[in-house]
Amino acid sequence: AQSVTQPDIHITVSEGASLELRCNYSYGATPYLFWYVQSPGQGLQLLLKYFSGDTLVQGIKGFEAEFKRSQSSFNLRKPSVHWSDAAEYFCAVGRTGGGNKLTFGTGTQLKVEL
Amino acid sequence: NAGVTQTPKFRVLKTGQSMTLLCAQDMNHEYMYWYRQDPGMGLRLIHYSVGEGTTAKGEVPDGYNVSRLKKQNFLLGLESAAPSQTSVYFCASSPRGGDGYTFGSGTRLTVV
Repeated sequence: AQSVTQPDIHITVSEGASLELRCNYSYGATPYLFWYVQSPGQGLQLLLKYFSGDTLVQGIKGFEAEFKRSQSSFNLRKPSVHWSDAAEYFCAVGRTGGGNKLTFGTGTQLKVEL
Repeated sequence: NAGVTQTPKFRVLKTGQSMTLLCAQDMNHEYMYWYRQDPGMGLRLIHYSVGEGTTAKGEVPDGYNVSRLKKQNFLLGLESAAPSQTSVYFCASSPRGGDGYTFGSGTRLTVV
C-alpha cells in the first residue's frame, strides 16, 4: 500500500528566507508525486507534479521539488519565501490506472514571519 | 471559470438526518473523487468513480453512498448523519491519464 509521511506539522520561516518542506513516500513502483497548497477556507491547488524524467521539477509560484529515489523523498523548496506563501502544504503519491487514486500526507502548516 | 463546483458550502445537520452533497465539473474529466479532511489526518478518500455509472469504495466509505448518473456530477450521500462525520468534504476530478486533481472549494459539514 502506498503512503506518504510529512514529518513537519508546523514550520515557521522569515520572509525572504529559503524553505524546504519534507515528504517521504512508500510505494512499490515508480510513483507519481504531487505537491498541493491549501489556503485557509479554500480547496487544494496543484503546485507541481513528478511523473518521470528530470528529477527536479518546477512548479507555480516559484516552487520546485526534487525526486530522490534512493531516499524515497520528494521535498518541496523555494529560495525566497513571500508572506503570501503562508498556507498548508500537502504531498501526495499515486499512479495512473486504478482510478488515479492519490494518497495524501497529513500536511505541513507554513507560517511566514514578516 | 472552468472547474469543480461543490454545493452547499456549509451545512449543519442533526444526528440521524440525511443529506446529499453535490459536485459538478465542467472539464469533461473521467474520474471523480470524494475526500474528507480532518485536522491532523490529511485527506482520506471516501469513494471515487472512474466513469459515468460506476463507483468504488475508498479508504473510509462507511456511512456514505455515492452516485454518478451523469459524467459531470458526483453525489455524496449521508443516510443517517453521525457526529463522527463532522468534517470538511472535498470533491475532485481528474482526466484518465493522470495529471493531478482539480479540487472544489469544499463543504464544511457539522453534525450535532
